[in-house]
Amino acid sequence: GAVVSQHPSWVICKSGTSVKIECRSLDFQATTMFWYRQFPKQSLMLMATSNEGSKATYEQGVEKDKFLINHASLTLSTLTVTSAHPEDSSFYICSAGGGNNSPLHFGNGTRLTVT
Amino acid sequence: AQKITQTQPGMFVQEKEAVTLDCTYDTSDPSYGLFWYKQPSSGEMIFLIYQGSYDQQNATEGRYSLNFQKARKSANLVISASQLGDSAMYFCAMREGREWGNKLVFGAGTILRVKS
Repeated sequence: GAVVSQHPSWVICKSGTSVKIECRSLDFQATTMFWYRQFPKQSLMLMATSNEGSKATYEQGVEKDKFLINHASLTLSTLTVTSAHPEDSSFYICSAGGGNNSPLHFGNGTRLTVT
Repeated sequence: AQKITQTQPGMFVQEKEAVTLDCTYDTSDPSYGLFWYKQPSSGEMIFLIYQGSYDQQNATEGRYSLNFQKARKSANLVISASQLGDSAMYFCAMREGREWGNKLVFGAGTILRVKS
């Protein structure tokens, strides 16, 4: 079945540094990928829609300059958390669709801790 | 307004019994899809079952079935013969429109605990 790979699975960084998270579709091409954020015991909140070859579409309240999204190819989208602060600590998870009649598949998520 | 509502923050079920997780939705789009995902403590999102708005029959996948009541805008998940490994967070989600690449909106989730 369709597989989405996300890397790294966890990262600890110092406040003020930037962190890049990769999301790859392994056996299908994805013109659209989605980035979600999840706080403990809460739901997934959509941050942005990543569009191959064009600018990402951000949800209301999400700072586009802080959460940089690049979708340079049909199999890779990256989320960069710039100048990270402790409040950015969260679980970030990406998803991509496998095409018609296929549900969105999710990466295994990245647990970010900013110290 | 909430598009997806899961009213049960937590549920307990005895092993081998069936359990129903509630989900109601709100949309004016005649074409939509409803999904259930399982999220164990490891964090991965596991797709369980899908129901399209035009599907005539309720979806079933092994021990999972979706009780789709279109007029009531409900899409409850039924897990039969519960197992200890079913303990996890369960999310109901909706995609509006026909495009499979459209975003999913998630409910708040229900934590299910299976007791031995």
